[in-house]
Amino acid sequence: KNEVEQSPQNLTAQEGEFITINCSYSVGISALHWLQQHPGGGIVSLFMLSSGKKKHGRLIATINIQEKHSSLHITASHPRDSAVYICAVGLGLSGGGADGLTFGKGTHLIIQP
Amino acid sequence: DAGVIQSPRHEVTEMGQEVTLRCKPISGHDYLFWYRQTMMRGLELLIYFNNNVPIDDSGMPEDRFSAKMPNASFSTLKIQPSEPRDSAVYFCASTESLAGVIYEQYFGPGTRLTVT
Repeated sequence: KNEVEQSPQNLTAQEGEFITINCSYSVGISALHWLQQHPGGGIVSLFMLSSGKKKHGRLIATINIQEKHSSLHITASHPRDSAVYICAVGLGLSGGGADGLTFGKGTHLIIQP
Repeated sequence: DAGVIQSPRHEVTEMGQEVTLRCKPISGHDYLFWYRQTMMRGLELLIYFNNNVPIDDSGMPEDRFSAKMPNASFSTLKIQPSEPRDSAVYFCASTESLAGVIYEQYFGPGTRLTVT
């Protein structure tokens, strides 16, 4: 069974700081997803990656397949970035198609003005 | 596209009653997932479908839970009889997979179920 571990569980930072959230998993995967959940409860996909690095605006996601580790970075953080960030993996059990996800417990991020 | 649509958004029911949650995936998506979120266990996969066929239902807690996908645009998750420990937010998500390429999953707004 794949375990997905995130750190830190909680993070409070000042506006403008560089933020890093880490995710480790225990077995091989087909893809890793970073999700964002705001207090209202909706879940939005930020990134899906299986290798290398992706960037969207101030968000950067990296993955190291050999080390089974991924990081989500936020540059120039802003109070509107306050949310829960969730790492999730697909195990590639469906023979090349999509998979149901296994989730980490999430990182609660608060950015103070 | 309107995104993944779930109904109802909130459901309050008494223990022992039947509950039916509904989901309409994004048009053209061939995968549909049901997830459950609780404070204690976080997000968990319950079941998922590919082309309306259940692929993995190992996350369904027990026989009280059942899911169907009668066509490409509609799925239901039924709990009968409901129990207080079923109280959670139930999310539906959909995605497509073309020629082995996996894409991101799109989540619905969720149904908040409270069983008293």
